[in-house]
Amino acid sequence: EPEVTQTPSHQVTQMGQEVILRCVPISNHLYFYWYRQILGQKVEFLVSFYNNEISEKSEIFDDQFSVERPDGSNFTLKIRSTKLEDSAMYFCASSGGGGGDQPQHFGDGTRLSIL
Amino acid sequence: AQSVTQLDSQVPVFEEAPVELRCNYSSSVSVYLFWYVQYPNQGLQLLLKYLSGSTLVKGINGFEAEFNKSQTSFHLRKPSVHISDTAEYFCAVTLWNTGFQKLVFGTGTRLLVSP
Repeated sequence: EPEVTQTPSHQVTQMGQEVILRCVPISNHLYFYWYRQILGQKVEFLVSFYNNEISEKSEIFDDQFSVERPDGSNFTLKIRSTKLEDSAMYFCASSGGGGGDQPQHFGDGTRLSIL
Repeated sequence: AQSVTQLDSQVPVFEEAPVELRCNYSSSVSVYLFWYVQYPNQGLQLLLKYLSGSTLVKGINGFEAEFNKSQTSFHLRKPSVHISDTAEYFCAVTLWNTGFQKLVFGTGTRLLVSP
């Protein structure tokens, strides 16, 4: 069964540094998402992306965050200047449709640790 | 504001016993409902979904859930659990007014199955 893959599995970064988290969505999917899960808390929506533009973003997704689909297979999340509170598990997801009837498939996540 | 409530943070149960994990949602618009499971160090895997039609939906691994519109609930059940069902279970909704794209998650319920 096709799956969403995320790299790296664990990223350790100094505060203030830029970090790029990478995702390869399922190949025929058109909608892409990022979520995060701070340790011990619920999974929170960050952003959805379709047709090379952001379709929705949460209040968490401020100017420090950006997403990009640089080629036909990758989907990236960049944090420009990391803060301690950015430490979390970041999940990428993709779906074949945006109407909710096609569910989102998640990767195994990247654990981001900010020192 | 829309929200998902999972009242039980942890549910201990013996192997082969039945289990019910509770989920209630609050929304003024139409929703789609989902249950996801997260095994240790893995991503979120879809167990089942409710979009419309029959209020009893069956998912993978012997799980089922029932949508109750009057009680705004979507409880997850399994008649006989296995040790391997030990995991974190998340209830989630997508909303009509966001194009059913953004998943809103509950805080999760940790199911602990012991011999």
